[in-house]
Amino acid sequence: EAGVAQSPRYKIIEKRQSVAFWCNPISGHATLYWYQQILGQGPKLLIQFQNNGVVDDSQLPKDRFSAERLKGVDSTLKIQPAKLEDSAVYLCASSTTGLAGGPQYFGPGTRLTVT
Amino acid sequence: GEDVEQSLFLSVREGDSSVINCTYTDSSSTYLYWYKQEPGAGLQLLTYIFSNMDMKQDQRLTVLLNKKDKHLSLRIADTQTGDSAIYFCAEINRDDKIIFGKGTRLHILP
Repeated sequence: EAGVAQSPRYKIIEKRQSVAFWCNPISGHATLYWYQQILGQGPKLLIQFQNNGVVDDSQLPKDRFSAERLKGVDSTLKIQPAKLEDSAVYLCASSTTGLAGGPQYFGPGTRLTVT
Repeated sequence: GEDVEQSLFLSVREGDSSVINCTYTDSSSTYLYWYKQEPGAGLQLLTYIFSNMDMKQDQRLTVLLNKKDKHLSLRIADTQTGDSAIYFCAEINRDDKIIFGKGTRLHILP
């Protein structure tokens, strides 16, 4: 079974530029998550999708971050414009169910550096 | 507020047991997890425990839960070099959100 795929693996941009990340979850997984992991900290949930609908985006900075999962499969996360404090690893995860306790499978992440 | 606390570093000799500790604040947590993160990789779910359990054992891994003290531990028996990683404790809070600790970096001494 293929795991969660993410691209790119690394991205370096200047502040005020835009950037987009892509995630392809495990086939058949209805729930998709985007996390932000700042160096030295645990992951923080940004947004959760159930199929193509948003379940929770309460911690997504909506003035600059946006995410979509149009066909209920792969997803993109965009930052526009980027700030220095957005430097982090962006992790995508998927699970078969959005119910609490369902195991989440993580991709390798995209390491973003904003200069 | 909700918080998951872990010590940041642990050094253990190869072959010894590692014990990683975690405390959490939400007494209504239903599930508690241990994830492993190796360098440059995403998080790998190691094990989880329901809040109505005291202990769960899975091969070299033993999870102990003290719900009264809101304390969770992960014991790795016969620690190997491949166990070197960051270990994250996480809880499901009353809003069904997963909250991660900052992670414990396990360093294996030869």
